[in-house]
Amino acid sequence: AQSVTQLGSHVSVSEGALVLLRCNYSSSVPPYLFWYVQYPNQGLQLLLKYTSAATLVKGINGFEAEFKKSETSFHLTKPSAHMSDAAEYFCAVKRASGSRLTFGEGTQLTVNP
Amino acid sequence: NAGVTQTPKFRILKIGQSMTLQCTQDMNHNYMYWYRQDPGMGLKLIYYSVGAGITDKGEVPNGYNVSRSTTEDFPLRLELAAPSQTSVYFCASSYSMGTRYTGELFFGEGSRLTVL
Repeated sequence: AQSVTQLGSHVSVSEGALVLLRCNYSSSVPPYLFWYVQYPNQGLQLLLKYTSAATLVKGINGFEAEFKKSETSFHLTKPSAHMSDAAEYFCAVKRASGSRLTFGEGTQLTVNP
Repeated sequence: NAGVTQTPKFRILKIGQSMTLQCTQDMNHNYMYWYRQDPGMGLKLIYYSVGAGITDKGEVPNGYNVSRSTTEDFPLRLELAAPSQTSVYFCASSYSMGTRYTGELFFGEGSRLTVL
């Protein structure tokens, strides 16, 4: 069975600072990995995904993530935080041959002026 | 382009009542999912469907039922509502490209249910 662990349920950064949201996965086979963002009172939107191509994945709004098999990690980064990045972020994993995504518990990002 | 539409957006139920959450997608997606979201718990899969006429249980199916008679619709039925079913429910859909299923989900805006 696959699972993800998001380290830190709340992360706070200053505007302009580096954003780093951590995600570690557990999977017996090479997985597909995703980051989703949820703004208040909305559904989730896909930020980026890793599907066994390039290990450095670029997404929307300046976010990127790097798949590191040796560390079983898929951390999300953005060089410079913007106030509009304040939201909840979810990491998710799926077996390449499966049809179900398993989500992490989420990380609430706060951006301070 | 409506995408995934959920109704109702809000509902208050009394213990023991039943109701159906509606979900419709207009993207001709073959995969559809129901998740519930509770604070600090992430999203838990309730039921999913890989095509019309095919449904399967997720992680937390107890107290719920689904059907998939058409590609577009995937209603979630709550029988005998309990306070533990107070949650925000999300419907999502996805598609496969040939034999490759990347699993990218498209979400509705959610239905907030309170059971008192």
